[in-house]
Amino acid sequence: QQQVKQSPQSLIVQKGGISIINCAYENTAFDYFPWYQQFPGKGPALLIAIRPDVSEKKEGRFTISFNKSAKQFSLHIMDSQPGDSATYFCAAQSGAGSYQLTFGKGTKLSVIP
Amino acid sequence: SQTIHQWPATLVQPVGSPLSLECTVEGTSNPNLYWYRQAAGRGLQLLFYSVGIGQISSEVPQNLSASRPQDRQFILSSKKLLLSDSGFYLCAWNNGLYEQYFGPGTRLTVT
Repeated sequence: QQQVKQSPQSLIVQKGGISIINCAYENTAFDYFPWYQQFPGKGPALLIAIRPDVSEKKEGRFTISFNKSAKQFSLHIMDSQPGDSATYFCAAQSGAGSYQLTFGKGTKLSVIP
Repeated sequence: SQTIHQWPATLVQPVGSPLSLECTVEGTSNPNLYWYRQAAGRGLQLLFYSVGIGQISSEVPQNLSASRPQDRQFILSSKKLLLSDSGFYLCAWNNGLYEQYFGPGTRLTVT
């Protein structure tokens, strides 16, 4: 099955808090898991991505945690800021030669001061 | 560095009118190109992808079509727009590896 299930649909976090968005997949052939950040009226921007040979990847305040056995991965945003308010999409792809990213439905994050 | 352009940025068209959206990529050669549609408040739906000039694969049967007349140009077209064609249209590219990069999008409103 090609679905990627993303939760929650929306998230409100206080400034300085930790934002956590979760995704789950079924297709064990997926081997690339990116996260995209999208601001209103803009195209999605690649934020961070992980391959299944590592369990965690960190870039600044953004961390992906990956659990291969559970077929789950999550995005953690540390010290969340109002400027992080956006919609976040997880995605998955199988193989470098594949031409399709399978996207989750998105999480609208609001960081309140 | 690579840059992806889309135009127009916004478009309002009546039902039954034709459509042509254009996407171009700079700074790379022989990219894979993609058209997505994003309905209001929803995820991204892959419409078409292309691995080379004249090579188009369709993911969703509908009244839209795509063409790739040049290596770095991707066009989305329709002969007659439907109300349901309204949405945010995104072009994306990659170089055959994993990372896929999106353009700024075109907001289409069919009235």
